[in-house]
Amino acid sequence: AQSVTQPDIHITVSEGASLELRCNYSYGATPYLFWYVQSPGQGLQLLLKYFSGDTLVQGIKGFEAEFKRSQSSFNLRKPSVHWSDAAEYFCAVGAAGRRALTFGSGTRLQVQP
Amino acid sequence: EPEVTQTPSHQVTQMGQEVILRCVPISNHLYFYWYRQILGQKVEFLVSFYNNEISEKSEIFDDQFSVERPDGSNFTLKIRSTKLEDSAMYFCASSESGMETQYFGPGTRLLVL
Repeated sequence: AQSVTQPDIHITVSEGASLELRCNYSYGATPYLFWYVQSPGQGLQLLLKYFSGDTLVQGIKGFEAEFKRSQSSFNLRKPSVHWSDAAEYFCAVGAAGRRALTFGSGTRLQVQP
Repeated sequence: EPEVTQTPSHQVTQMGQEVILRCVPISNHLYFYWYRQILGQKVEFLVSFYNNEISEKSEIFDDQFSVERPDGSNFTLKIRSTKLEDSAMYFCASSESGMETQYFGPGTRLLVL
């Protein structure tokens, strides 16, 4: 069965600073990988996804993520964080032949002025 | 942009009561899902639904739960006899195909007293 680990429960960065949120997955084959963002009281909004091809994927709101098979990682990055990026970020993995997404426990991002 | 909608946004019920959570998936999507997120915990998969039948379900989705697509637009989750531990945010999602991106609704927060 697949699993997802987000090692950082809570991260605080200053506005304008760069950001990297870590995600490690466990799955025997090539996974389908997603990053979702959840603002307080809101649903889950898709930031970006990786299915195949180019390992560096671009998403909305200036986010990008890189799939590294050798490290079983799919870290999310943003070069310059805005106050509106404060939210909870979830990494999720899907597997071929299965409908269920497996989510990580999330990383709460706080942005300092 | 099309989106998944859910009603109600909040529901409070007494233990042992039946609740029905409603979702309107994106109109051209064929796969539908329910997930839940207990406060402070991971988002967990409950069930997926395609062609008027359950295609996959988790261990959480026991006999107390059922899903239905009663008409061409709605997708419902019924909990027959709610327990305290059913208190959670319930998310509906839909996708065009089984391996495409799942788009999530804003959620229904269920509180069982």
